[in-house]
Amino acid sequence: NAGVMQNPRHLVRRRGQEARLRCSPMKGHSHVYWYRQLPEEGLKFMVYLQKENIIDESGMPKERFSAEFPKEGPSILRIQQVVRGDSAAYFCASSPPSQRDEQFFGPGTRLTVL
Amino acid sequence: QQQVKQSPQSLIVQKGGISIINCAYENTAFDYFPWYQQFPGKGPALLIAIRPDVSEKKEGRFTISFNKSAKQFSLHIMDSQPGDSATYFCAASTNKLSFGAGTTVTVRA
Repeated sequence: NAGVMQNPRHLVRRRGQEARLRCSPMKGHSHVYWYRQLPEEGLKFMVYLQKENIIDESGMPKERFSAEFPKEGPSILRIQQVVRGDSAAYFCASSPPSQRDEQFFGPGTRLTVL
Repeated sequence: QQQVKQSPQSLIVQKGGISIINCAYENTAFDYFPWYQQFPGKGPALLIAIRPDVSEKKEGRFTISFNKSAKQFSLHIMDSQPGDSATYFCAASTNKLSFGAGTTVTVRA
């Protein structure tokens, strides 16, 4: 049973470009969460999604950031017009419907903004 | 505002010793308290977790102690091994996880 998959693992963007981060949850998991980890810090919640629905986006910056989890395909975290402060590791986690608390994390995407 | 406070920031322990990491929270709505282990360049891995109706949970060398009245919980790593050297995060959950700032554990051989 494959774990949570994220790609790309590393992403370099110049200021003003767009970043698209993908997450495929574990098989059978219908809940997806995105977290951001700045260097030497803990993880901060960004958004919680189920298929075709955003459940909680209270941790997501109001501008430039968006997330989706379509009926088919991976969840996407999109950052428009990236700035240097967006440089971080972005982790996706998934959980099964019966145990929403039990979140399993992917390997992360490390975004570097030049 | 950090919803979960974790200490110490780092600790060094000799092989075979006990590592103890403490966390405290304020929000009484939290109902699930996991611990994650993270190695450099990797994602956090779920280590052990507890719910507030239980005061202690043990899995192998890892034990969580939970004090609901004090709103505190801790991780004990018994017989620490060099392979345990990693960063450990406590967390507390409603639907989403609120993480502590992490503790870097170094186990000296």
